[in-house]
Amino acid sequence: DIVMTQSPDSLAVSLGERATINCKSSQSVLYSSNNKNYLAWYQQKPGQPPKLLIYWASTRESGVPDRFSGSGSGTDFTLTISSLQAEDVAVYYCQQYYSTPYMYSFGQGTKLEIK
Amino acid sequence: EVQLVESGGGLVQPGGSLRLSCAASGFTFSSYWMSWVRQAPGKGLEWVANIKQDGSEKYYVDSVKGRFTISRDNAKNSLYLQMNSLRAEDTAVYYCARDVDQGNDYWGQGTLVTVSS
Repeated sequence: DIVMTQSPDSLAVSLGERATINCKSSQSVLYSSNNKNYLAWYQQKPGQPPKLLIYWASTRESGVPDRFSGSGSGTDFTLTISSLQAEDVAVYYCQQYYSTPYMYSFGQGTKLEIK
Repeated sequence: EVQLVESGGGLVQPGGSLRLSCAASGFTFSSYWMSWVRQAPGKGLEWVANIKQDGSEKYYVDSVKGRFTISRDNAKNSLYLQMNSLRAEDTAVYYCARDVDQGNDYWGQGTLVTVSS
């Protein structure tokens, strides 16, 4: 099974500053046949279901502000919020959907707060 | 508009059973894999199970194998999760979610299952 580990567990950033969340997978999630990383990022606000933000490690879902960006390949990935807004306070999760058969797994989550 | 609406949650005693349902609308349900994902109170997300479009393939997280069964009825645009031999650690909000090549793009609001005596 692929284990996903996020760091840090929590993060406090000032409004307008950059926030960076890391995610590491226990094995590569890069599919060689199409050169795509099967890694997604989700945002979850209190009392709401998760929302897909980024897929293929770096592609923003439609409607997601461009201050959100994803990077990385293989086993190491990063979610960056370039200029933190108040509405970005949430818990962020990475997810791998590489496993065959299709057994997805999530990181433990990173709680992002305003400093 | 894509909608996923879960139902069937509630309070159940340890060892008991519960059947969750997810009503889908706004898309061609029979064309998509579907998943159940749960979240224990104050905890993170845990993928539980998923099922292929025609129901011919089903996968489960180890902790629920042999106790939970995922199924679907494409004629009714519905997804189900039969949960037997429930334990306290199964207490969680259960979400149904649509599987796409990019992850899980739509989620329901969830239904709360509480296992307690």
